[in-house]
Amino acid sequence: AQSVTQLDSHVSVSEGTPVLLRCNYSSSYSPSLFWYVQHPNKGLQLLLKYTSAATLVKGINGFEAEFKKSETSFHLTKPSAHMSDAAEYFCVVSASGAGSYQLTFGKGTKLSVIP
Amino acid sequence: KAGVTQTPRYLIKTRGQQVTLSCSPISGHRSVSWYQQTPGQGLQFLFEYFSETQRNKGNFPGRFSGRQFSNSRSEMNVSTLELGDSALYLCASSLSLAGEGEQYFGPGTRLTVT
Repeated sequence: AQSVTQLDSHVSVSEGTPVLLRCNYSSSYSPSLFWYVQHPNKGLQLLLKYTSAATLVKGINGFEAEFKKSETSFHLTKPSAHMSDAAEYFCVVSASGAGSYQLTFGKGTKLSVIP
Repeated sequence: KAGVTQTPRYLIKTRGQQVTLSCSPISGHRSVSWYQQTPGQGLQFLFEYFSETQRNKGNFPGRFSGRQFSNSRSEMNVSTLELGDSALYLCASSLSLAGEGEQYFGPGTRLTVT
């Protein structure tokens, strides 16, 4: 069994300040991890993915995430928030085993950016 | 390259009816996955089709079914609609299986059941 917990349902930051969106996971197998972003009335877009290569993953729009196996975490960060970052963010874990795979989405974190 | 398209974008149905949603993947993509998104449950995986075969299935009742055609277009059908089926239904396509790499999502179909 696997699960994903996004620790904050809502995060609010001021424009120009750092962003931290937290994600913890559990998985019986070696997982792949993803962060997706969903802007209002739009589909999801991939920000970045971890697939057992480098533990620090750089994505689009200045976002990055670090895979920490010992802490079972995959937190998303950005040094300086921009108004256009206001959206909902989803952490996703995928793990395969016994001939199939499981794909699990977190509940999402809504990011607000204050001008 | 055209993105993932979903039709219709909005739909209103009555309890007990059935509905069919359509998804056209990005050209060359062989995998199509379906998701249900609601405020309470978040994003939940329905099923994935790859080269016309269902490869993975989430924990939804048999009222939810799907299929994929030889051109990779996919349809999702929900029979005997319930109020709780009101949701945004998202379709995503990918080159490989959904769990292996990047998925490209469509804008969704907003289904309202009254």
